[in-house]
Amino acid sequence: GQNIDQPTEMTATEGAIVQINCTYQTSGFNGLFWYQQHAGEAPTFLSYNVLDGLEEKGRFSSFLSRSKGYSYLLLKELQMKDSASYLCAVRDSNYQLIWGAGTKLIIKP
Amino acid sequence: IAGITQAPTSQILAAGRRMTLRCTQDMRHNAMYWYRQDLGLGLRLIHYSNTAGTTGKGEVPDGYSVSRANTDDFPLTLASAVPSQTSVYFCASSDRASTGELFFGEGSRLTVL
Repeated sequence: GQNIDQPTEMTATEGAIVQINCTYQTSGFNGLFWYQQHAGEAPTFLSYNVLDGLEEKGRFSSFLSRSKGYSYLLLKELQMKDSASYLCAVRDSNYQLIWGAGTKLIIKP
Repeated sequence: IAGITQAPTSQILAAGRRMTLRCTQDMRHNAMYWYRQDLGLGLRLIHYSNTAGTTGKGEVPDGYSVSRANTDDFPLTLASAVPSQTSVYFCASSDRASTGELFFGEGSRLTVL
């Protein structure tokens, strides 16, 4: 079966760096997405990786290793507004998105 | 309208009643989706449409139906609501010609009693 694993919850300190991991087993691979979802709101797109390596976008970076079925989202210089759930999703060979359950990130002052 | 709009935002519904959740987008995206999101679970695909006039079943289609008469609108209908359909429903759209990132509506919180 298809599966996306990511930690349920993580805690980090304001100003620090946090890495959220995502491992996947899917039928084919056509890209990996990270979304941010604040409580009570809709998910919003953060990043897209289709080739191995690191994609940097401001304070956020996303890494992909297709051979290992692994990705991480790196958040630097954490701010209180980064408190949210982070969703990992993989697009399979049928072009459908398979979603992880999300990682709730708690930022403490 | 800017982006993707859902209605209603919230609804309490008696079991057995029929309910339609509306979704409209103005981005001319060809693909549209309906997801449900429940605590502790990932987003689960109910139905999707790759282009106007076509629809497909997702992971959890039972008890739901959709139609795609035109590019902009993608309503989701619960023919006879049951308590297990209590959830937050998100409509989304994407342009499959690009990276295919999803743009989500604000969600519809449905409670079936």
